[in-house]
Amino acid sequence: DADVTQTPRNRITKTGKRIMLECSQTKGHDRMYWYRQDPGLGLRLIYYSFDVKDINKGEISDGYSVSRQAQAKFSLSLESAIPNQTALYFCATQTGREQYFGPGTRLTVT
Amino acid sequence: GQQVMQIPQYQHVQEGEDFTTYCNSSTTLSNIQWYKQRPGGHPVFLIQLVKSGEVKKQKRLTFQFGEAKKNSSLHITATQTTDVGTYFCAGLGAGGTSYGKLTFGQGTILTVHP
Repeated sequence: DADVTQTPRNRITKTGKRIMLECSQTKGHDRMYWYRQDPGLGLRLIYYSFDVKDINKGEISDGYSVSRQAQAKFSLSLESAIPNQTALYFCATQTGREQYFGPGTRLTVT
Repeated sequence: GQQVMQIPQYQHVQEGEDFTTYCNSSTTLSNIQWYKQRPGGHPVFLIQLVKSGEVKKQKRLTFQFGEAKKNSSLHITATQTTDVGTYFCAGLGAGGTSYGKLTFGQGTILTVHP
């Protein structure tokens, strides 16, 4: 299912570097989300956006920022990456009932 | 804030055995959703439960929503190797700061031995 795409799919970066993860969708959904997945912790919400002008912090937003460039694009930035931000990151969209997830970006911070 | 606890974290079964995962929320939910994530994949929506006491079935999968709308369960009858993966519950907040946001449980990783 290529309706929600994420780039890059894998990234290794060094502590202190700025990195941007990108998400694009062709589903035409207004709502978009960024989650991180860590073993044993499930999916935790970082930021979410209900439309282009509406951006909200999730439960673990510290150290992250986002930009909603258009209805179809929602980017997540790590201003100064640290090792405990090593995780699998998912973008998701939603209209109505269910959320549709992208394939994920595996980020490693060394 | 809203918390959703899911147990067990891991479950290993022999093919043909049954499997159940449980979800409990710290607050009353508007609805609860279930997702499945295959190894190396992304979460995929399975079902949504909305009504108090609701029970839904999808082939060998049975989903229940508690009377108080604070707990839920997923039961798989006669597991198959195709059932392997991580099962997540996700509760939609009923109001306040939880409104409109899904809170995911920690997930249950199911392994099925042939």
